[in-house]
Amino acid sequence: AQSVTQLDSQVPVFEEAPVELRCNYSSSVSVYLFWYVQYPNQGLQLLLKYLSGSTLVKGINGFEAEFNKSQTSFHLRKPSVHISDTAEYFCAVSNSDAGKSTFGDGTTLTVKP
Amino acid sequence: GAVVSQHPSRVICKSGTSVKIECRSLDFQATTMFWYRQFPKQSLMLMATSNEGSKATYEQGVEKDKFLINHASLTLSTLTVTSAHPEDSSFYICSAFRGAALNEQFFGPGTRLTVL
Repeated sequence: AQSVTQLDSQVPVFEEAPVELRCNYSSSVSVYLFWYVQYPNQGLQLLLKYLSGSTLVKGINGFEAEFNKSQTSFHLRKPSVHISDTAEYFCAVSNSDAGKSTFGDGTTLTVKP
Repeated sequence: GAVVSQHPSRVICKSGTSVKIECRSLDFQATTMFWYRQFPKQSLMLMATSNEGSKATYEQGVEKDKFLINHASLTLSTLTVTSAHPEDSSFYICSAFRGAALNEQFFGPGTRLTVL
């Protein structure tokens, strides 16, 4: 079984400030990790993913995440946020090549001017 | 990235009627599609895994007779909510899985179902 915990349900931050959205996972086998963004009344868009290789993963819109196996974490970071980054962010874990994923409860990022 | 469409984007129906939602992968063939349900301010709940040419695999607690899934081709999966009731009102999202090295789900824009 696998699970995902997003440690912060809401993260308010000022524009141009750095942000970190935290994600921890549990799994008994090797995992694939994902971060998605969801804007209101829309589907999910992939920000980045870790499948293997380098533990620092760079994604779209200036986001990056680091896979830390010892701490079972996959935190999402951005050095300087914009108003347009305001959205819901989901961390997800999969332990197979078949695509089935478990999603965290989401983190609402609100960027204030 | 790949494009997945859903139709309709929004539907309002009367209690007791059935509603069909289509999910299409527009530029790639998807042997696997997933159907999710999302309540306001909550995460995605996987309802079922839809595989082309075979019966869908439902998650525990999801009524297969109420949520009929058909994956008729490599680019189309449909979800039919039968005899809909107000508690079925929700945001339904599909995704198409691109496997092998890519290992990535491409999500549709979602369908907002309101049952009166």
